[in-house]
Amino acid sequence: SYVLTQPPSVSVAPGKTATISCGGNNIGSKRVHWYQQKPGQAPVLVIYSDSDRPSGIPARLSGSNSGNTATLTISRVEAGDEADYYCQVWEVWESGSDVIFGGGTKLTVL
Amino acid sequence: EVQLVETGGGLIQPGGSVRLSCEVSGFTVSDNYMSWVRQAPGKGLEWISVILRGDTYYGDSVKGRFTISRDNSKNTVYLQMNSLRVADTAVYYCASHYCTAGSCYIDYWGRGTLVTVSS
Repeated sequence: SYVLTQPPSVSVAPGKTATISCGGNNIGSKRVHWYQQKPGQAPVLVIYSDSDRPSGIPARLSGSNSGNTATLTISRVEAGDEADYYCQVWEVWESGSDVIFGGGTKLTVL
Repeated sequence: EVQLVETGGGLIQPGGSVRLSCEVSGFTVSDNYMSWVRQAPGKGLEWISVILRGDTYYGDSVKGRFTISRDNSKNTVYLQMNSLRVADTAVYYCASHYCTAGSCYIDYWGRGTLVTVSS
């Protein structure tokens, strides 16, 4: 089955830029979606289809996808960005469909 | 306003069964792909199952033990969980998908219901 690989943790100082990677075989050929999850809360969609933002998500969050790596970039990081972030793809097989999540990345704001 | 409300969680003995419900308001479940996603304590998200127009699919860890279904008259999605194991302990989220250009993402999540499997 398809595997998405994320770094377990990323740390960044306030005001700096955080990048969270999501690796997968030829992931650039797929559409990647990103979710933010804060402690005790359900996940929230922050980026869909590689680089689109749902309404209400600040432009500081952006996404890109090429080759074997998709990336979530958070510019001008704020304390409120501290959360777990998950990438996701939708896989269609001969035998059906799967939702694939990456293992998640904990973003720590120093 | 869209709402997904999960119920049915609790403490279950190993080998036991439970049925989770996800009551939806704000859209019609028969028009959407619906999934169950779980999160074990301190762990990441794990997709469990999806129900499409008529087809259902499952993750390897629950295949043969869990069954997803839908009652259109009640606008509710269910997850029947049998032969439960300690490793099934998790918060179970109900989720709806939006699909575009051949890919689907989760646009709405419930708040989750905790299932604890323990003797």
